[in-house]
Amino acid sequence: GAVVSQHPSWVICKSGTSVKIECRSLDFQATTMFWYRQFPKQSLMLMATSNEGSKATYEQGVEKDKFLINHASLTLSTLTVTSAHPEDSSFYICSASYSGSIDTQYFGPGTRLTVL
Amino acid sequence: GENVEQHPSTLSVQEGDSAVIKCTYSDSASNYFPWYKQELGKRPQLIIDIRSNVGEKKDQRIAVTLNKTAKHFSLHITETQPEDSAVYFCAASRRSSASKIIFGSGTRLSIRP
Repeated sequence: GAVVSQHPSWVICKSGTSVKIECRSLDFQATTMFWYRQFPKQSLMLMATSNEGSKATYEQGVEKDKFLINHASLTLSTLTVTSAHPEDSSFYICSASYSGSIDTQYFGPGTRLTVL
Repeated sequence: GENVEQHPSTLSVQEGDSAVIKCTYSDSASNYFPWYKQELGKRPQLIIDIRSNVGEKKDQRIAVTLNKTAKHFSLHITETQPEDSAVYFCAASRRSSASKIIFGSGTRLSIRP
């Protein structure tokens, strides 16, 4: 149980285009979803926390107009990288938790974004 | 803000020997400390966790210790095997489903045959 999926698993796009990444909880209702970014050989850096039906809370230094997060349902959150540039190339990972999990987050498999 | 420091950044041990990774945290309200193993291009995998009401927890070859007073926690892997080679992250969180997890910088563990 507690499976989280992401789509796509990898994407290549041209500079200036927008890319949407989906994060789904497959067998549970995720009250909270988290989005992380991981550059090569670095740690996971939290970008934002989102609760279903409310606006996401962004971490300091993360541009909310560039990284649009929508948590429209208890099983789906989306991250849209708007006007992507090469420096946005990274590994994006989501995680989800539910009220019964208390402290455990379940991670998605990640999305590798490459901006040319 | 909250911070988790992790040492060493790289660690190479002989197969069969033990490996120890140490972390410190800054948020005194943290009460949940998970450890993750991440292989290249994969998601972090929870390998063990400890909550603040205990000082030590063991699961086969893996053990974690927690010193709340000093805000230190450590991961111990005994009888290391080649498949233990990976990047390990410590993390700290306040115990709530809505609480964010703060990750350490990671330790790249290599097991020498």
